[in-house]
Amino acid sequence: QVQLQESGPGLVKPSEALSLTCTVSGGSINTYYWHWIRQAPGKGLEWIGYISDSVSPNYNPSLKSRVTISVDRSRNQFSLNMKTVTAADTAIYFCAGSRGRFQLIDYWGQGTLVVVSS
Amino acid sequence: DIQMTQSPSSLSASVGDRVTITCRASQAISNYLAWFQQKPGKAPKSLIYAASILKDGVPSRFSGSGSGTDFTLTISSLQPEDFATYYCQQYKSYPLTFGGGTKVEIK
Repeated sequence: QVQLQESGPGLVKPSEALSLTCTVSGGSINTYYWHWIRQAPGKGLEWIGYISDSVSPNYNPSLKSRVTISVDRSRNQFSLNMKTVTAADTAIYFCAGSRGRFQLIDYWGQGTLVVVSS
Repeated sequence: DIQMTQSPSSLSASVGDRVTITCRASQAISNYLAWFQQKPGKAPKSLIYAASILKDGVPSRFSGSGSGTDFTLTISSLQPEDFATYYCQQYKSYPLTFGGGTKVEIK
């Protein structure tokens, strides 16, 4: 059973970069599509982007200029980097996985809260 | 982007009630529609995919229907553990988009 675990700073200063890592266990990082999804406090879910083996990353156009998703196959991890954050980026960030590009997002990490504040 | 509109945004119901939540897509998505349940402090949990296929382990009181632009999630007899927020999500095209959520509360 695939399990995901997010890690990274819980507090980021405005204008700085947010960096999170998701560690994948119970499955190969090469097999799935790996997503980042966020949820602002008390709000709905927003898809950020995905990465997958041999496929270019795909980002939400609303965030594309600030976001990079990368993968470290040796560590079975994938990462999110979001630059120039503001208070509007305060959210719970989930890493997640799907078996294909147009398939159900079936695997979710528990989520990690990132607060943007000075 | 495909906009997903859920209604109602919240509802109050009693244990044993039949509950129906609707989701409308701004353009046709065939059956590329999933339903998630989310409880406070937890990640979303998938209930239904391909509009009507129940995930393994999900109680049969949950059902989904629809195709194209209009979809429905039905809970046939609401149980105490069903009080949560429900989201629809389309995976027909990118960016993936979610409905605004329906919070099911205890009456």
